[in-house]
Amino acid sequence: GAVVSQHPSRVICKSGTSVKIECRSLDFQATTMFWYRQFPKQSLMLMATSNEGSKATYEQGVEKDKFLINHASLTLSTLTVTSAHPEDSSFYICSARDTTTYEQYFGPGTRLTVT
Amino acid sequence: AQSVTQPDIHITVSEGASLELRCNYSYGATPYLFWYVQSPGQGLQLLLKYFSGDTLVQGIKGFEAEFKRSQSSFNLRKPSVHWSDAAEYFCAVGERSASKIIFGSGTRLSIRP
Repeated sequence: GAVVSQHPSRVICKSGTSVKIECRSLDFQATTMFWYRQFPKQSLMLMATSNEGSKATYEQGVEKDKFLINHASLTLSTLTVTSAHPEDSSFYICSARDTTTYEQYFGPGTRLTVT
Repeated sequence: AQSVTQPDIHITVSEGASLELRCNYSYGATPYLFWYVQSPGQGLQLLLKYFSGDTLVQGIKGFEAEFKRSQSSFNLRKPSVHWSDAAEYFCAVGERSASKIIFGSGTRLSIRP
């Protein structure tokens, strides 16, 4: 079946540094990928829609200069949290939409802790 | 704007008992509806989905859900729960064209031995 991977699965960084999270579709092509964040014991909130070869579309209230998204190929999207602060600590989950079938598959998530 | 409401934050049922998790949605047209399950610290697993056709949808792990347009509901059911079903369950609604998925707040399911 279709698999989406995320790397790293866990990351701890110091306040003020930047962190990059990768989302890969392993056995299908994904023109569109989505990035979500999830706070403890809360639901997933859509942050942005990532489109291959074009700019990402951010949801209202999401700072695009803080959460940089790059979708340079049909199998890879990256989310960079710039100048991270403790309040950015969260569980970040990506999903990828199969270009052929339009099915959407979720990655296992990345837990970011900013100290 | 589309939205999803899961009125039950936490439900506890006995192992072997039946289960129903409630979900109500708000959407202008016929929605794409989903149920996902998330174990602690894990990603999401799709249980089932409804796009069109038969309003009673069968999913994995013995789950089913029924789309009721008149009630704007898509409740999840299972006739007999197992201890391994303890997890967080999310109902979600998607747009036909963009496939952007909006999640409900989730229902935490605990199983009583």
